Amino acid sequence: GENVEQHPSTLSVQEGDSAVIKCTYSDSASNYFPWYKQELGKRPQLIIDIRSNVGEKKDQRIAVTLNKTAKHFSLHITETQPEDSAVYFCAAPRGRSNDYKLSFGAGTTVTVRA
Amino acid sequence: DAGVTQSPTHLIKTRGQQVTLRCSPISGHKSVSWYQQVLGQGPQFIFQYYEKEERGRGNFPDRFSARQFPNYSSELNVNALLLGDSALYLCASSWEGKGYGYTFGSGTRLTVV
Repeated sequence: GENVEQHPSTLSVQEGDSAVIKCTYSDSASNYFPWYKQELGKRPQLIIDIRSNVGEKKDQRIAVTLNKTAKHFSLHITETQPEDSAVYFCAAPRGRSNDYKLSFGAGTTVTVRA
Repeated sequence: DAGVTQSPTHLIKTRGQQVTLRCSPISGHKSVSWYQQVLGQGPQFIFQYYEKEERGRGNFPDRFSARQFPNYSSELNVNALLLGDSALYLCASSWEGKGYGYTFGSGTRLTVV
């Protein structure tokens, strides 16, 4: 099955700096890579996703890049703000035939220091 | 529009008991997936139901079962509860049953004592 590894497990950044979280996946057939943000005590919320036919996608201060050859994808948050503090999870489906089963990384706790 | 609703929000059970968790998907969504999130970890796939049929299950024992009703709501049942079943149980709905664009509910926090 799909194995998704996420690094780092914790990340502390100064407000205004950038944050980068990296994930690797094992199944080369995976074709969809979402990122979720989970604030303390709340539900995971989809913040951005990318399909395997593109290499980069941006949405305001958030961007995701995908390297299919190396089987890794990254979340980039620019101009971080205190409200960006949360746990971020990457995920990948367990191959095309199991595209409904998302495997999640272990999460990255991001703390933005004011 | 109402989002994904789950009930109850919190639950405390004793080892060996049985529990039923409920989920109502977003209106128009035909798929419900269940995930278990242990504290400090990412969600783990338990089941998906699409058009009222089980489409797949994760690596969970037979004590875990689920079903989907004609109105697309779903129940997750866990029998013979163990301490290790303590977790946040998340329900996610999607329109076509793929992993694209899951919307998660707020979850049910289950504590087994």
